[in-house]
Parts: sequence; structure tokens; C-alpha cells
Amino acid sequence: GENVEQHPSTLSVQEGDSAVIKCTYSDSASNYFPWYKQELGKRPQLIIDIRSNVGEKKDQRIAVTLNKTAKHFSLHITETQPEDSAVYFCAARSTGTYKYIFGTGTRLKVLA
Amino acid sequence: NAGVTQTPKFRVLKTGQSMTLLCAQDMNHEYMYWYRQDPGMGLRLIHYSVGEGTTAKGEVPDGYNVSRLKKQNFLLGLESAAPSQTSVYFCASSYSTSGSWGEQFFGPGTRLTVL
Repeated sequence: GENVEQHPSTLSVQEGDSAVIKCTYSDSASNYFPWYKQELGKRPQLIIDIRSNVGEKKDQRIAVTLNKTAKHFSLHITETQPEDSAVYFCAARSTGTYKYIFGTGTRLKVLA
Repeated sequence: NAGVTQTPKFRVLKTGQSMTLLCAQDMNHEYMYWYRQDPGMGLRLIHYSVGEGTTAKGEVPDGYNVSRLKKQNFLLGLESAAPSQTSVYFCASSYSTSGSWGEQFFGPGTRLTVL
């Protein structure tokens, strides 16, 4: 069935460094790839997304890249700050089924 | 706009009891979803709906039922609660013909404990 693998499960970086989280999806019919940030006890919040007809998208310190051939996409956070500390989830949505399959999450810690 | 709301916020059940979780959205979204979130497991799709009167199974549907009698509401039912259903439940909605395409909006969550 559909599956999204996410790595790493935990990531610690020094403030100011970059962080990269990677996801691989199995369903070649996936056409939409959002990234969510979830702070402790809160709901997931969308931080950036990309559609399958685009290879890269950037929003200030956050960027997402998509490689459709390899079926993987990555989240890049530059100049990390302590407030970036949270759990990040990737997801993939398939055309036609409208289902979102989520990765298992990455706990990012930004050390001051 | 309230966005997506969930009722109740917290609930404790005994094994075998039943309950219904209510999700409501005021964004005129077509699609609605129920997820459960367990530590280290991410968000797993229980059931979803692509329109009023329609429902479909997700990854982990066993032990749950859903109904979408009105476009703005999506109900999740547990007929006979089990300790394995202890989790945080999130509702989400997405897609309107006049607005957002893919973004899912999440409710605040319901923390359910089954003893």
C-alpha cells in the first residue's frame, strides 16, 4: 500500500546551522507534498508545500525540493533558530484518492 | 472564522464504553479526515470523506465508524472502546472549489484515554 518514509527521526543542530529532513514516497500517483510543523501539545501547522509539477519551492528560511523520478522530497531549514524546535511531518497526497499519507515525523532540536 | 473545531477536548472512557467525537468546519471544505496520533507513529488516517454522505476507510479503520450527514460536520464513533484506542485524535479538512487546493487544516485535537 501507500507508504511515506521519513528520516531522520531525531535531529539536533546548533543555532544558525542548516537542517535537512528527507522523505520517500511509494505511490507514483502522488501529486502534492506538504510539510507540517507540530509543537508540543498543538495541532500540525502547514509550513510549506509543493506540487508535483514543481521541483523546488522556497519561503524565506524554508525550502522544499522534489525529485519525482526518485520519489523523494526534502525539507531544508537554513539559519535555524531555537523556535524552529518542533516535530516536522512530511506527507504525500495521491491524485484521485484524496488521501494524505504522513511520515512518522522528525523531532528537530535547535541548540542555542 | 473558527476554522476546524473538535468536541470534546479530553475524554476518559472505560473499556467497552462508546462515544462520538465531533468535528466541525466553517470553510466550506469538501474533504474531511480523522487521524489518530500515537507517540513515534505520526498521523495515521482512520476514515475520510470526500463529500456529504460519503465516507471511506483509511489506514487504521477497525473499531471506528464515521458519518458525514452534513457537509460541515464529520463524526467519529467508537462503539466499544479498547485501551489500544488511547490516542490523540485530529480532525482535518481541505479543498474548497473557490479556495485552497491541497492544504489541510487541522482541529485542536481530542485526547482520549481508555482505561
